[in-house]
Amino acid sequence: EFMLTQSPGTLSLSPGERATLSCRASQSGSNDLAWYQQKPGQAPRLLIYKTSSRATGIPDRFSGSGSGTDFTLTISRLEPEDFALYYCQHYGSSRTFGQGTKVEIK
Amino acid sequence: EVQLLESGGGLVQPGGSLGLSCAASGFTFSSYGMGWVRQAPGKGLEWVSDVTGSGADTDHASSVRGRFTTSRDNSKNTLYLQMSSLRAEDTAVYYCARASTVYRPYYFDFWGQGILVTVSS
Repeated sequence: EFMLTQSPGTLSLSPGERATLSCRASQSGSNDLAWYQQKPGQAPRLLIYKTSSRATGIPDRFSGSGSGTDFTLTISRLEPEDFALYYCQHYGSSRTFGQGTKVEIK
Repeated sequence: EVQLLESGGGLVQPGGSLGLSCAASGFTFSSYGMGWVRQAPGKGLEWVSDVTGSGADTDHASSVRGRFTTSRDNSKNTLYLQMSSLRAEDTAVYYCARASTVYRPYYFDFWGQGILVTVSS
């Protein structure tokens, strides 16, 4: 079974700091990897697709990278509105989501 | 502006059936695949199903396969999810989402606000 494991579970940072979120796949696959942001009571929002392409309207402080089994979402300098939950998804054959990483204010 | 509006949620008893609809607007509906993603209370996202732009090809998560049916009516710009043999673990907010292209592989680029389905006696 294809699985995505996100780490850490929670990331405690201050505004202005850099956030690095990890998403590890249980097996090597394509680079069909997306990242979504979800705030409380809201629907998810697409941030990144195809590992590193930013969705329309997403600020350039968000970037994605990786290949094989290891993928990363980086937020270069956290803004107050970036504190949220983040999910990765491999949308190849499995359509699996990771379990999420919460970015909280320290 | 892309808009997705889910309807049909509510309370249903275990073993019962329920149908969800998602009315789409602001884009050429038949040119995009569509999907359903759910989120149990306090839990993460779980892909449920998707359907290609024409409606000819659907796929469902193993957790719902054989119980849920996904379809679309391109003349009505509407996506459907028919759920049967519902279980307590199907309790979740169900999101309708637009796929990035007409056929897989696709990510979800626009999401509805979600609708709550509660399975309880």
